[in-house]
Amino acid sequence: GAGVSQSPSNKVTEKGKDVELRCDPISGHTALYWYRQRLGQGLEFLIYFQGNSAPDKSGLPSDRFSAERTGESVSTLTIQRTQQEDSAVYLCASSLTSGIGNEQFFGPGTRLTVL
Amino acid sequence: GENVEQHPSTLSVQEGDSAVIKCTYSDSASNYFPWYKQELGKRPQLIIDIRSNVGEKKDQRIAVTLNKTAKHFSLHITETQPEDSAVYFCAAPLSGSARQLTFGSGTQLTVLP
Repeated sequence: GAGVSQSPSNKVTEKGKDVELRCDPISGHTALYWYRQRLGQGLEFLIYFQGNSAPDKSGLPSDRFSAERTGESVSTLTIQRTQQEDSAVYLCASSLTSGIGNEQFFGPGTRLTVL
Repeated sequence: GENVEQHPSTLSVQEGDSAVIKCTYSDSASNYFPWYKQELGKRPQLIIDIRSNVGEKKDQRIAVTLNKTAKHFSLHITETQPEDSAVYFCAAPLSGSARQLTFGSGTQLTVLP
């Protein structure tokens, strides 16, 4: 079946603007993760959703970052008043169920450039 | 929280040689250790994982070993090929979390023809 998809693939924005990134997980996957990957660096956890439970927001770097997910479907990551340090690839991943040990399937990412 | 340290950050090997990447973790309760491969411009993909009840797992040319006492695990790639060139990330459960993984900083592997 189809893998995780993300849109847009690239986003260039001006400092101070808001951006919204979208993730479509694999159908039937109840867990969804957002990560940030700065150039040449590892994956930085941002937020985790599991079904209808309250999300784990412990990785969000500031209150300018927020994310939503409706049920077990699409998720959107919103960055308000973007800053140049927000420039990175934002990766979404989904897994069949929650819990360590369930393979996370990654999307292709959204490359965000803040000018 | 859990710290995962990964070494080396870059590794170049001749085609046909072996490559080894090592990661250390801090939480002795950690029980799951995946390795992801990310080719240039592409998404990370799981290539192999190991659970704490085994010391080694092998899948064709790749293997992972786990030393729970020393709290480190390693990825071994034998008979390397140019298509093995990529960034490899190790991961371990975030301390106290049943759902989060914390990732190493990555190793850029280059296989020279």
